[in-house]
Amino acid sequence: QVQLQESGTGLVKPSQTLSLTCTVSGGSLISGGHYWGWIRQHPGKGLEWVGYIYYSGGTYYNPSLKSRVTISLDTSKNQFSLNLSSVTAADTAVYYCARSNVWGNYRVFDYWGQGTLVTVSS
Amino acid sequence: EIVMTQSPATLSVSPGERATLSCTASQSISSDLAWYQQKPGQTPRLLIYGASTRATGIPARFSGSGSGTEFTLTIISLQSEDFAVYYCQHYKNWPPMYTFGQGTKLEIK
Repeated sequence: QVQLQESGTGLVKPSQTLSLTCTVSGGSLISGGHYWGWIRQHPGKGLEWVGYIYYSGGTYYNPSLKSRVTISLDTSKNQFSLNLSSVTAADTAVYYCARSNVWGNYRVFDYWGQGTLVTVSS
Repeated sequence: EIVMTQSPATLSVSPGERATLSCTASQSISSDLAWYQQKPGQTPRLLIYGASTRATGIPARFSGSGSGTEFTLTIISLQSEDFAVYYCQHYKNWPPMYTFGQGTKLEIK
């Protein structure tokens, strides 16, 4: 059973960088076909895809966040990380890490972390 | 950019009844649509993929239909545990992009 767990700073000051790590257990980050992604949910709102990385290290980001987002991989620790720079209050959200897999011919998120609330405030 | 629009925003249905939730894509997405359920304080759970295929362990009272731009999630014989927020999601291969609808809250009438 694959499990994902987010960790990182829950309070970030405006203009600083949000940093989160997702630790994966029960499965390898370098398994082919899987993408490892970040999704966020603003308080009381819907889901927004932030970006993903796949086993070779290739990344894709939501165009609305692309200039501020970096996702990286640490295969030795079976972890992947999110950095979001120049944060504002609008970046306050619950951040989920999740695995994207192909079911049939369709790419979906099948395993999710519990989510971690990040608040941007001085 | 493909926009996914869900309706209604809130749906009030009595236990035991049927709920019908809609998701509309701003352009044709074939059958590339998934549905997720999110209960308060919990993570989203995959219900349906490929517009109509139930994910592993999902009860038969959940069904998905549609293709192109119009999609429906139907839940028959609503159980207490079904009251939650439901999201539709589309994945575009190139350039890669996951897009979620804004959600439909299914509440007890």
